Amino acid sequence: QLVVTQSPSASASLGASVKLTCTLSSGHSDYAIAWHQQQPEKGPRFLMKVNSDGSHNRGDGIPDRFSGSTSGAERYLTISRLQSEDEADYYCQTWGTAIRVFGGGTKLTVL
Amino acid sequence: EVQLLESGGGLLQPGGSLRLSCAASGFTFSSCGMSWVRQALGKGLEWVSGISTSGGSTYYADSVRGRFTISRDNSKNTLYLQMNSLRAEDTAVYYCAKGATRDGYYFDYWGQGILVAVSS
Repeated sequence: QLVVTQSPSASASLGASVKLTCTLSSGHSDYAIAWHQQQPEKGPRFLMKVNSDGSHNRGDGIPDRFSGSTSGAERYLTISRLQSEDEADYYCQTWGTAIRVFGGGTKLTVL
Repeated sequence: EVQLLESGGGLLQPGGSLRLSCAASGFTFSSCGMSWVRQALGKGLEWVSGISTSGGSTYYADSVRGRFTISRDNSKNTLYLQMNSLRAEDTAVYYCAKGATRDGYYFDYWGQGILVAVSS
């Protein structure tokens, strides 16, 4: 079964960097994923697609403070130079031919 | 500028029906797979349904299969979600999501969302 798993919460200090993790289920380690950000009281926004080789493609207007990477079945979102507006929920999403799957989301707190 | 504008939400009783619409602009609608995604209050995102560019292929989450029907009208640049036999657990904000590719596997633009509340 295709599943993506995220830690429920993360925190980091203003100006620092943070790395969020999305783990693909067994047998699906070669799948690409997408990262989406949802700020409080707003709709989601696409950040980037992360491929199994670690390459990533950011969405329109997404600053290069946001980057993606891969290690095995794990897909990462790294946010550098944290700003207050980065405090949000971050969702990873993957897919099969007839299904789309979201992780449970990681709530990022900027201290 | 890509815009996705949902409409048709509201409050209704269990067992009722509702049709959501999503008016798309700013891109070639007929070239993109599309999806509906929902979010219950305080919960995460849940994919509901997807549709191919022509509308010939449709996909559903197990939680809504047999009750919801996704469709599209490429001449009107509009995506639809017909929701029947509604349950309290269908209460959520429903988002229209544009596929980043023809296959619509992942989403590069989202609507602002529309609330559907099912309660007696």
